[in-house]
Amino acid sequence: ELKVEQNPLFLSMQEGKNYTIYCNYSTTSDRLYWYRQDPGKSLESLFVLLSNGAVKQEGRLMASLDTKARLSTLHITAAVHDLSATYFCASRDDKIIFGKGTRLHILP
Amino acid sequence: DAGVIQSPRHEVTEMGQEVTLRCKPISGHDYLFWYRQTMMRGLELLIYFNNNVPIDDSGMPEDRFSAKMPNASFSTLKIQPSEPRDSAVYFCASSLGTRYTEQFFGPGTRLTVL
Repeated sequence: ELKVEQNPLFLSMQEGKNYTIYCNYSTTSDRLYWYRQDPGKSLESLFVLLSNGAVKQEGRLMASLDTKARLSTLHITAAVHDLSATYFCASRDDKIIFGKGTRLHILP
Repeated sequence: DAGVIQSPRHEVTEMGQEVTLRCKPISGHDYLFWYRQTMMRGLELLIYFNNNVPIDDSGMPEDRFSAKMPNASFSTLKIQPSEPRDSAVYFCASSLGTRYTEQFFGPGTRLTVL
């Protein structure tokens, strides 16, 4: 059974700093998803990574996928307060399974 | 273009009452998913449909939960009778093409069972 684990689960950081969120998954999968959820809001799709070595960037966020290591990372560059949210990764076997989320709080 | 629409946005009910949550997927999408989100258990897939047919309901917690999709533009999730432990945010999501393409989530229904 597929398990998706994120770390850290909580992260408080200063504006302007860089940090990385890690997503490990337990079985072979060729697809990895990242979503963002603001407090009290819905989930918004950020990235879909489709192959080993895939890298996607949007603004200060960059996601990558290593299918051999079963690892995806979400890197935040020069964080700003607007990026405060909960970030979910998800992988799939016969259905999409979500991690528990990383609650990111960026201090001004 | 409208995204996924859910109603009601908030529901407060008493234990034992029937609760019906509604979802309208994005037009043209052929997959519809129902999720439940709680602090303790995170985001759980309850059931999903393809072309209005339930494909996997293994996440439905008990017989008190049922879901239907009578047509391509409407789905319901019903809880009867409701219990306090059903309190959660229920999301509906839809996608196009396969069950693995990115899903578009609705705003959610926050259910409180007293």
